[in-house]
Amino acid sequence: GENVEQHPSTLSVQEGDSAVIKCTYSDSASNYFPWYKQELGKRPQLIIDIRSNVGEKKDQRIAVTLNKTAKHFSLHITETQPEDSAVYFCADIIMDSNYQLIWGAGTKLIIKP
Amino acid sequence: NAGVTQTPKFQVLKTGQSMTLQCAQDMNHEYMSWYRQDPGMGLRLIHYSVGAGITDQGEVPNGYNVSRSTTEDFPLRLLSAAPSQTSVYFCASSPTSGGADEQYFGPGTRLTVT
Repeated sequence: GENVEQHPSTLSVQEGDSAVIKCTYSDSASNYFPWYKQELGKRPQLIIDIRSNVGEKKDQRIAVTLNKTAKHFSLHITETQPEDSAVYFCADIIMDSNYQLIWGAGTKLIIKP
Repeated sequence: NAGVTQTPKFQVLKTGQSMTLQCAQDMNHEYMSWYRQDPGMGLRLIHYSVGAGITDQGEVPNGYNVSRSTTEDFPLRLLSAAPSQTSVYFCASSPTSGGADEQYFGPGTRLTVT
């Protein structure tokens, strides 16, 4: 079945630096790729998503890139701030096919002051 | 809109007991799902529904039942609780029936089975 691998499991960056989290997927038919942020003790919330007909999408300090050939997608956070500290999850799905989001194991992002 | 609501917030069960976790949404979303999240782990799909009257199994369905008699409600039933079911349970809904859209999560239910 489909598998999503997420790296690294923990990422520590200096405040103001950039952070990059990468996910690889196995099913080339996957066509929707969201990223969720989960603060400690809270529910996951969508921060950005991308569909397979687009290579990159930006929203202020956050961007997602998709490489369909290599089957990986990455989350980029620039100018990191203390409030970016959280666990980030990637996921993928084959739209209108298997109806199941497959999730990565998560990356704990630590912003050092 | 209240969004996605879950009850209870916390629950302690003894091994072998059964109970139902409630989930409701007021956004008229077709797609609803249940996840469990173990400490320090990702989300694992238990069951999902693409519309009223339709349910299907996810990655880890054993020990759980669901029903979807209305668009709004999607309860999760634990048949005979086991310590391995100690986890945080999240219900989610999405406006697109295929699931390829933003998932709106409820606040979660923290379940402990002793």
